[in-house]
Amino acid sequence: AQRVTQPEKLLSVFKGAPVELKCNYSYSGSPELFWYVQYSRQRLQLLLRHISRESIKGFTADLNKGETSFHLKKPFAQEEDSAMYYCALSARTDSWGKLQFGAGTQVVVTP
Amino acid sequence: DGGITQSPKYLFRKEGQNVTLSCEQNLNHDAMYWYRQDPGQGLRLIYYSQIVNDFQKGDIAEGYSVSREKKESFPLTVTSAQKNPTAFYLCASRGDRAGANVLTFGAGSRLTVL
Repeated sequence: AQRVTQPEKLLSVFKGAPVELKCNYSYSGSPELFWYVQYSRQRLQLLLRHISRESIKGFTADLNKGETSFHLKKPFAQEEDSAMYYCALSARTDSWGKLQFGAGTQVVVTP
Repeated sequence: DGGITQSPKYLFRKEGQNVTLSCEQNLNHDAMYWYRQDPGQGLRLIYYSQIVNDFQKGDIAEGYSVSREKKESFPLTVTSAQKNPTAFYLCASRGDRAGANVLTFGAGSRLTVL
């Protein structure tokens, strides 16, 4: 069974400080990992995925298969980063494209 | 304006009533999904469909039903059998069969049972 754990419900950081959102997963096969973000009054949207190996809005995430983690990091948080962040997993062999989501982490960036 | 349209945005229901949430997409996506979003629990999959006239139960399908008569439409019915229906419901679609598994989400429907 697939499981995604986000241990922090709320993360409060100051503007300009580094921010790291933790995500751990359990899955015996080959996973695809994603970070989705939901800004206030906006739709849930994709932030980044591990296969792209890209940086979006200054955020990066590295898949660590040994530690089964996919933590999201940004060196300098901005106020516009305040949002709800969800880590999600999909099995590469799943042709249905089902996503297993974590419980989410609310990020609040204060000036 | 391409995307996914969910309606109504807010819905109130009395106990014992069935309600249907609409989800329409003009993205020409094959796969569609319904998720339920509750505080502290993230998103949980209710039903999903990859093609017309076919759909599968997700993790929490009890008390819900769906239909997929058209590619563009995937309505969700919350029946009176659903014991805790008050929640935020999200519809999503996926167009990439190659397995990118990137979902596009609607704005959501908030159902409150009085």
